[in-house]
Amino acid sequence: QKEVEQNSGPLSVPEGAIASLNCTYSDRGSQSFFWYRQYSGKSPELIMSIYSNGDKEDGRFTAQLNKASQYVSLLIRDSQPSDSATYLCAVGVYGGSQGNLIFGKGTKLSVKP
Amino acid sequence: DTGVSQDPRHKITKRGQNVTFRCDPISEHNRLYWYRQTLGQGPEFLTYFQNEAQLEKSRLLSDRFSAERPKGSFSTLEIQRTEQGDSAMYLCASTGVTGELFFGEGSRLTVL
Repeated sequence: QKEVEQNSGPLSVPEGAIASLNCTYSDRGSQSFFWYRQYSGKSPELIMSIYSNGDKEDGRFTAQLNKASQYVSLLIRDSQPSDSATYLCAVGVYGGSQGNLIFGKGTKLSVKP
Repeated sequence: DTGVSQDPRHKITKRGQNVTFRCDPISEHNRLYWYRQTLGQGPEFLTYFQNEAQLEKSRLLSDRFSAERPKGSFSTLEIQRTEQGDSAMYLCASTGVTGELFFGEGSRLTVL
């Protein structure tokens, strides 16, 4: 059974702080890794994708991947109240364009003004 | 084309009735996915099409569920003889060569 684990939270951070979201996965053959943001009652929207070990930065977001530890993280710098949402980690076992993604249950983030 | 479109957005039905959802993917995407999401859970994969071919089905997709994608464009997901446990958000997503899923707004099903 392939699994993706996330702390369900809620994770509460003050405005302007760094929010750190973590995810572990069980299948060592996993090749693609994604972070989605989901506002309450809305569908998931892609924030970041990462395919190789190391860091990938996009604006205030940084994704980190460590395949040896089977660990993916998302850092949100200068957190804003508008970042308050559930963040879903998703893992693809196959190469980027095939198969399906396995999602974690999500971590609920609350950014306090 | 602004994104993945799903219809209807909300459906309330009585147990035992049949329901059908439609998904129109992003036009240049040839892969289309159906996921189901219940409260407090992440999306769960149901099935996947590449063009008109249904290439993968989850064991979650019981015999009461059927999906089609005629002509490789829009897709439909039909649930026959609905049960209360079918109540969920049904999400459609499409992807191009990068494998990054772009989701529609979802179709929320409530079975009374």
